[in-house]
Amino acid sequence: DGGITQSPKYLFRKEGQNVTLSCEQNLNHDAMYWYRQDPGQGLRLIYYSQIVNDFQKGDIAEGYSVSREKKESFPLTVTSAQKNPTAFYLCASSIWTGELFFGEGSRLTVL
Amino acid sequence: GQQLNQSPQSMFIQEGEDVSMNCTSSSIFNTWLWYKQDPGEGPVLLIALYKAGELTSNGRLTAQFGITRKDSFLNISASIPSDVGIYFCAGQQDSGSARQLTFGSGTQLTVLP
Repeated sequence: DGGITQSPKYLFRKEGQNVTLSCEQNLNHDAMYWYRQDPGQGLRLIYYSQIVNDFQKGDIAEGYSVSREKKESFPLTVTSAQKNPTAFYLCASSIWTGELFFGEGSRLTVL
Repeated sequence: GQQLNQSPQSMFIQEGEDVSMNCTSSSIFNTWLWYKQDPGEGPVLLIALYKAGELTSNGRLTAQFGITRKDSFLNISASIPSDVGIYFCAGQQDSGSARQLTFGSGTQLTVLP
């Protein structure tokens, strides 16, 4: 089945550690996105990529990094510079109309 | 950046009741999208609206693109327990670019048996 796969679903991190969240899609979408979701808030854009080997900062990129070496993959690294990384992270891809298709999310907890 | 005001923030309703929620903005949008998010899952697209005044249905769900292009409404008729979740609106200024999506803060819906 076509879709977006995020892993891991749950992740625990100690302060000062970098962690990488995986996002893979087989929808043949050119554009991919990472959003952060906090309780009671809307989705906030971290990074997005419209084509391979190119990506742009979103509204809250500080403390995060991404790569887009393949069309199907858009991993997100949460670095130790991110001061409040505990959140639910959502990966998405889009067709030409801009409608987003989301993965199931990864919940990161900093211990 | 743009802001979307989504209301109500939460709703508790009895099974079988109808539900209404809305999003408003001071900015004009060219596209309105409505998503539903089940607990611990990613949002799923329910309805997409592309034209001012457009009224679109998806089963028991009906959404409207406001004539001023600054608001949108979602109605759910005859609610059932599986309607529980968070409903998000999203407005898009530049059709064809998800980069321009702005999300509302969500409406948490609880359906009581």
